[in-house]
Amino acid sequence: AQSVTQPDIHITVSEGASLELRCNYSYGATPYLFWYVQSPGQGLQLLLKYFSGDTLVQGIKGFEAEFKRSQSSFNLRKPSVHWSDAAEYFCAVGAWGKLIFGQGTELSVKP
Amino acid sequence: GAVVSQHPSWVICKSGTSVKIECRSLDFQATTMFWYRQFPKQSLMLMATSNEGSKATYEQGVEKDKFLINHASLTLSTLTVTSAHPEDSSFYICSASDQETQYFGPGTRLLVL
Repeated sequence: AQSVTQPDIHITVSEGASLELRCNYSYGATPYLFWYVQSPGQGLQLLLKYFSGDTLVQGIKGFEAEFKRSQSSFNLRKPSVHWSDAAEYFCAVGAWGKLIFGQGTELSVKP
Repeated sequence: GAVVSQHPSWVICKSGTSVKIECRSLDFQATTMFWYRQFPKQSLMLMATSNEGSKATYEQGVEKDKFLINHASLTLSTLTVTSAHPEDSSFYICSASDQETQYFGPGTRLLVL
């Protein structure tokens, strides 16, 4: 079955610390991979996506993600978190536009 | 680029009335649009896939007669919640796809009294 797992429901990091959000997927073929961010009461904003090629992709707001085929993972990273990064983060996989979402990881940032 | 708008951003209505939500892709033509529902502290639940000029495809468990979807042009899809009830209160989000990537609207908060 196709699925996306974000093992961490809630993560708290200190401002300026590094961040890694985990995402594992189960999919029949190599899917397209996405990370979206959602602020409270808002829609989803695309952070980055991976279709093919270089397995380390750069996104907006200083985020990057690395696709590891052997581990079926697409973890999101940021070297230094800002207070404005506090939000809900969703990993998604899919093809031809249809997406399967993970349950989301809520990020809190301590001053 | 890739901006998607939704209108209204929030709506309060009485039980039994119908509510229409519009989703527009502002700077690209979207052959496919998607409608999601999101409950508090939960992920997005796909309700239906909408293709321009054809009938929407509904996910299992979604009542197509209750959630009417029209995709009349490459930039506009509408979701009409018919005979709304309090249990329909939710956050509805649309997205527009350029076949590879979905771009999301800001969402519509619906409260049915």
